[in-house]
Amino acid sequence: EAAVTQSPRSKVAVTGGKVTLSCHQTNNHDYMYWYRQDTGHGLRLIHYSYVADSTEKGDIPDGYKASRPSQENFSLILELASLSQTAVYFCASSDALGGVNQDTQYFGPGTRLLVL
Amino acid sequence: GQQVQQSPASLVLQEGENAELQCNFSTSLNSMQWFYQRPGGSLVSLFYNPSGTKHSGRLTSTTVIKERRSSLHISSSQTTDSGTYLCALAPSMLSGSFNKLTFGAGTRLAVCP
Repeated sequence: EAAVTQSPRSKVAVTGGKVTLSCHQTNNHDYMYWYRQDTGHGLRLIHYSYVADSTEKGDIPDGYKASRPSQENFSLILELASLSQTAVYFCASSDALGGVNQDTQYFGPGTRLLVL
Repeated sequence: GQQVQQSPASLVLQEGENAELQCNFSTSLNSMQWFYQRPGGSLVSLFYNPSGTKHSGRLTSTTVIKERRSSLHISSSQTTDSGTYLCALAPSMLSGSFNKLTFGAGTRLAVCP
C-alpha cells in the first residue's frame, strides 16, 4: 500500500501570512499532486509535478506556489494567505507507468487549513 | 473544460439495502477511479475502472464508455459504508493531460442501523 504523509495535519494562519504545507511519499512515485477540497465539494487540482525540481500548474494555481526538491517531497506554499484559501488540502502520488493500476493516485491524510 | 456529474448528491439507506451511485462525464475517457472518503478523512481508492465491470466484495463498478457513465453499486449496505464516494476522471491521452484527475462533487451516503 502506498504511503503518503502530510504535515502539519491542521493549521491556523493569519491573513497575509506565509503558509507551507509539506508532503512526503515513500513509494518511489514519479507524480505528485496538491488538491484542495472545500466543504461539500470534490477535489480540485492546484499544482502537480512529474519530476524533481519541476512543477506544473493545475486547474486552480492562483495564489499558490509549489516546490519539488526531491522525488519524495512536494510542498505547497501560500505566500500571502487569504480567507478564501481556508480548505482541506490533500497531497497525492502516482506511478507514471505500468500495470493494471496505472494512474491510480494514493492520497495523504489531508491538512485542514483555517485562515483568519 | 470537462464535466463530471455525480448523482445523487446524498443518500440515506437502512442497513442491508443496496445503493447505486452514478457518475456522468462529458468528454472522452482515459480512466475512471472511484474513491471512498471517510468523514473528515482521506481518500481510499476503491476501483480503477476505465471500462467494463469490476467487483470487490460488496462493491461493483461498471463503466460504459459509449454512454459516458460509470456506476458504483453497493450491495447489502453496512453502517461502516457511510461516508462520501467520489468519482474521478482522467482525460484521454490525446488531450495531453495524462495524469490529471477531475473529480465529481461526490455522493454522501449515510447508512442507518
